[in-house]
Amino acid sequence: EVQLVQSGAEVKKPGESLKISCKGSGYSFTSYWIGWVRQMPGKGLEWMGIIYPGDSDTRYSPSFQGQVTISADKSISTAYLQWSSLKASDTAMYYCARHKEYYGMDVWGQGTTVTVSS
Amino acid sequence: DIQMTQSPSTLSASVGDRVTITCRASQSISSWLAWYQQKPGKAPKLLIYKASSLESGVPSRFSGSGSGTEFTLTISSLQPDDFATYYCQQYNSYSRLTFGGGTKVEIK
Repeated sequence: EVQLVQSGAEVKKPGESLKISCKGSGYSFTSYWIGWVRQMPGKGLEWMGIIYPGDSDTRYSPSFQGQVTISADKSISTAYLQWSSLKASDTAMYYCARHKEYYGMDVWGQGTTVTVSS
Repeated sequence: DIQMTQSPSTLSASVGDRVTITCRASQSISSWLAWYQQKPGKAPKLLIYKASSLESGVPSRFSGSGSGTEFTLTISSLQPDDFATYYCQQYNSYSRLTFGGGTKVEIK
């Protein structure tokens, strides 16, 4: 079964760092892009960026460039989203999804809730 | 950046109704458009890709059309399981994928 499994919910304080993960299985992890999507409470979907684990080619939305870092470790079929200094406004659900070329985001992780509060 | 504008933002409909949601791109994206369904507390689900291709396992009452800058998602006969929020997404360029603002389909 093709699936993406994300790491568990996080509660952090402003200024702390965080790295969440997305592990792929059931397919060739290096052959598909992995994207990250933010959904703030009660709001819509926002595309953050995308990485191709095969060569680590990474693209960011202008809205998130410099705010987060997307990476991948193909040896363990895992993509990451990280922050160096969290803000309260980073409180959201974060989804990873496989982007199948020409098809869109066809497989989604279950989401990781990040809460940033003092 | 390519902006995606969905309308309406909310739609009230009854079971059995034909429902149409529109998505407009700020510039041509050819047919590189996907539609997703999201239910509360769940991850989005791909319904339609390349503007009009039905994802495997998705009921045939869902259909997509359009190209260039104007796209529609149609549900031919709304079912109880279809009450959800729907999003369009353009993937014309892997450097700048963007979602529409969403359309919530509510029970009338």
